[in-house]
Parts: sequence; structure tokens; C-alpha cells
Amino acid sequence: AQKITQTQPGMFVQEKEAVTLDCTYDTSDQSYGLFWYKQPSSGEMIFLIYQGSYDEQNATEGRYSLNFQKARKSANLVISASQLGDSAMYFCAMREGQGETGANNLFFGTGTRLTVIP
Amino acid sequence: ETGVTQSPTHLIKTRGQQVTLRCSSQSGHNTVSWYQQALGQGPQFIFQYYREEENGRGNFPPRFSGLQFPNYSSELNVNALELDDSALYLCASSSARDTPFATNEKLFFGSGTQLSVL
Repeated sequence: AQKITQTQPGMFVQEKEAVTLDCTYDTSDQSYGLFWYKQPSSGEMIFLIYQGSYDEQNATEGRYSLNFQKARKSANLVISASQLGDSAMYFCAMREGQGETGANNLFFGTGTRLTVIP
Repeated sequence: ETGVTQSPTHLIKTRGQQVTLRCSSQSGHNTVSWYQQALGQGPQFIFQYYREEENGRGNFPPRFSGLQFPNYSSELNVNALELDDSALYLCASSSARDTPFATNEKLFFGSGTQLSVL
């Protein structure tokens, strides 16, 4: 089973509007962390926001917020006031507490390509 | 503060050849992870080096190997290249105090090496 599922291959948003990028995850661990990364065309993965499984409040980082619904195993990224520079690929990722590879690495979804329209 | 740098940025090889990719970790970081990102996919974990030793590996064959040097820089070596090895190879560093990582440990990525195998 996929550990991270992103069902939106592509999304469009008008500049200055808000957009939600979906992410669901699958784990049997009680302790885990959820991340969102942005990948512009340059290729670099840029960290955006983190949510821990025990965090009671939804994480926020500037214009980014994470809508964390633990019972539904979803961790959607909300970008407010979209800017043209937000056009990029967005990846949801998870780190489990008990790493099955020995390194408790990040597992990534397939990504969502966001295009901001002027 | 110097970020994660990778070299070369692009590389073209033929099937059966060997390749070495290089990564300099961010200043102060002691852990390096390598990820393979095929076209249209999310990054997949190859392996991780901590204190110059491999301490976790994803589902990649032994022809993928690596090294970490005392200055925490790293190499990824791939022998007997196959067409499916064509991908963006990303290096990520972090400053883990110990492994396994805490679930909130952030990875800092380089811009990657785009490898094409013909």
C-alpha cells in the first residue's frame, strides 16, 4: 500500500486566491511526522511545513497551513493568497517513528503540480 | 551558511557504464541521504549515511553504493547502469544528533543531478 497518496496531479488557482492540496497517508505507527515540500523547476526540494502526529494544533508557516485530520489520515496543505512564484510541484511526505529501512527516511507522494494564473 | 551542493548538474551515460555523483552537505550537517526521483514521481529513498556508515537502505540493488567522508560530503556510485536509472538524484543533509531521526527532523535538499542513461 502507498504510504502517501496525492490524488491531484495538477491544480490551477487564481493569483491571490487560496488553494488546498490534498494528501492522505497510511501508517500503523503512533508517532510520525508529516512534511510538505515545494519543488520548483530548478529541482531543489524546499521545506514548507511540518506536522507531528501528537501536535494538537494545525501547523502554520506564513501563508502555508496544514489541515491535519488524524482520524481521516489526511494532511492537506492550504496556501493562502497565492502568488505567481508558488507555481511548482508540491510533495507531501511522511517520516514514521519506527523506520523499516533502518533510517526512518521520508516517504513521498507523487506530487501535485500547482499553476498560479495571473 | 552554505546549502547542499551537488555535482554534476547533468550527466549522460550509456547502459553498462558506471557513474559517481557527489554531494556536499550543508554546513554543520552530519547526515546525508540520497533519493532517486524518476520523471513524474516523488523521490524514493536510496540510502543514508551517518558518521561515515550506511545506516539505512531503501529497495535498491547493491549496484547502488555510497560513501561518506570525514567532512560529511558524500558520493553515490551506480554500477552497470540501466535505462531505468535515468532520473534526478537528490542529496539531502541534516544535523541528526542520533539515529533514528526524531520524526520532526527536516531534510535540506540540493538541486540534484539529472542522469540520463542511453
